[in-house]
Amino acid sequence: KNQVEQSPQSLIILEGKNCTLQCNYTVSPFSNLRWYKQDTGRGPVSLTIMTFSENTKSNGRYTATLDADTKQSSLHITASQLSDSASYICVVSHHYNTDKLIFGTGTRLQVFP
Amino acid sequence: DAGVIQSPRHEVTEMGQEVTLRCKPISGHNSLFWYRQTMMRGLELLIYFNNNVPIDDSGMPEDRFSAKMPNASFSTLKIQPSEPRDSAVYFCASTKSSGQNNEQFFGPGTRLTVL
Repeated sequence: KNQVEQSPQSLIILEGKNCTLQCNYTVSPFSNLRWYKQDTGRGPVSLTIMTFSENTKSNGRYTATLDADTKQSSLHITASQLSDSASYICVVSHHYNTDKLIFGTGTRLQVFP
Repeated sequence: DAGVIQSPRHEVTEMGQEVTLRCKPISGHNSLFWYRQTMMRGLELLIYFNNNVPIDDSGMPEDRFSAKMPNASFSTLKIQPSEPRDSAVYFCASTKSSGQNNEQFFGPGTRLTVL
């Protein structure tokens, strides 16, 4: 079973709308949780990094939340733009090996005009 | 800063041939990671180096895969002999130092197709 599960697998929204992506993980104890954005044909780019003690972190129109008790995280995108079309990957690192990232399979977001 | 540089960007080869992927990390970064991405399995860590020394190669699928880092500015991932199931996008990433919260910067990837 994958230690990092994401939902939905794919999502289509209209430009200007908000959306929320979900991530559940079983990695324990975990060190930090990251959200990456991956445009088609490119490498992933980090959006946010949160340690277990942080509940929320923002990066422009992207806001990530973390509930370490329930092992859940969400990524909220406000006022979506066409350039938000990409895959969003939730990544968790283990407390005892922070270099070894454990990736979710991603949510594919498409924003239409 | 040019970011992480990978070459080639695309590689098409026939089964049984040797394939060498190359990576130049960001200057000053001392940790380097090789990943493989497929539709079925997503991103998987193959191997990573700290200060040019391989630390964890447990993700390397089999003996056909090998990686080297002869100096701080260059690494290779070699597949010999290649098989169709090796077809994937291979990413290299680097970070300033290992440890908590250090962001990994990814290269653009090499798309490998083995016929």
